[in-house]
Amino acid sequence: NAGVMQNPRHLVRRRGQEARLRCSPVKGHSHVYWYRQLPEEGLKFMVYLQKENIIDESGMPKERFSAEFPKEGPSILRIQQVVRGDSAAYFCASSLSTGEDYGYTFGSGTRLTVV
Amino acid sequence: GDSVTQMEGPVTLSEEAFLTINCTYTATGYPSLFWYVQYPGEGLQLLLKATKADDKGSNKGFEATYRKETTSFHLEKGSVQVSDSAVYFCALSRGSTLGRLYFGRGTQLTVWP
Repeated sequence: NAGVMQNPRHLVRRRGQEARLRCSPVKGHSHVYWYRQLPEEGLKFMVYLQKENIIDESGMPKERFSAEFPKEGPSILRIQQVVRGDSAAYFCASSLSTGEDYGYTFGSGTRLTVV
Repeated sequence: GDSVTQMEGPVTLSEEAFLTINCTYTATGYPSLFWYVQYPGEGLQLLLKATKADDKGSNKGFEATYRKETTSFHLEKGSVQVSDSAVYFCALSRGSTLGRLYFGRGTQLTVWP
């Protein structure tokens, strides 16, 4: 499979629980990006990671949210103590490098519902 | 700051009608511009892009021209099909904000047979 794989596709959590979203980039891609899409809005940048490094987390809420991209394994977006306002679609994208000549491949997203 | 403004939807057309979805941007320097398409329940797919002024991106009958003088990147298609029904997002990126895309709010297009 050549695409970005995200799982789970759908995730339901009760308020106060933790949500862990996984993203496996395209094979060979070392750059990963997380975006959040709130209902009827465009995607908003959250964080940009390279292997074992956070490059830009300026779009990430300061509390409860964290992201990692370990040397081995998928990138993880972790949301602690979820609240109803966290309900959204979370998309991961990957690229071979950065710059206009390198395309971004998006996954199908994880739709988080907080009840 | 950098931003993208798209015409609000939804847009409803009959098959074979002409499509225009307006997109304007605000950015310093010379951004690259993109149109992405999102089919129901799926992720975003790159539809076309342009990396410098006066460039025209095209794909699957869709076109958009990078107009620096009007800071616009309007999406057009001469004859839409039912299968074009989707949400279309205009986006930009700049070299100084590596890896970050700025998206518009998206425009829902529905094409009726």
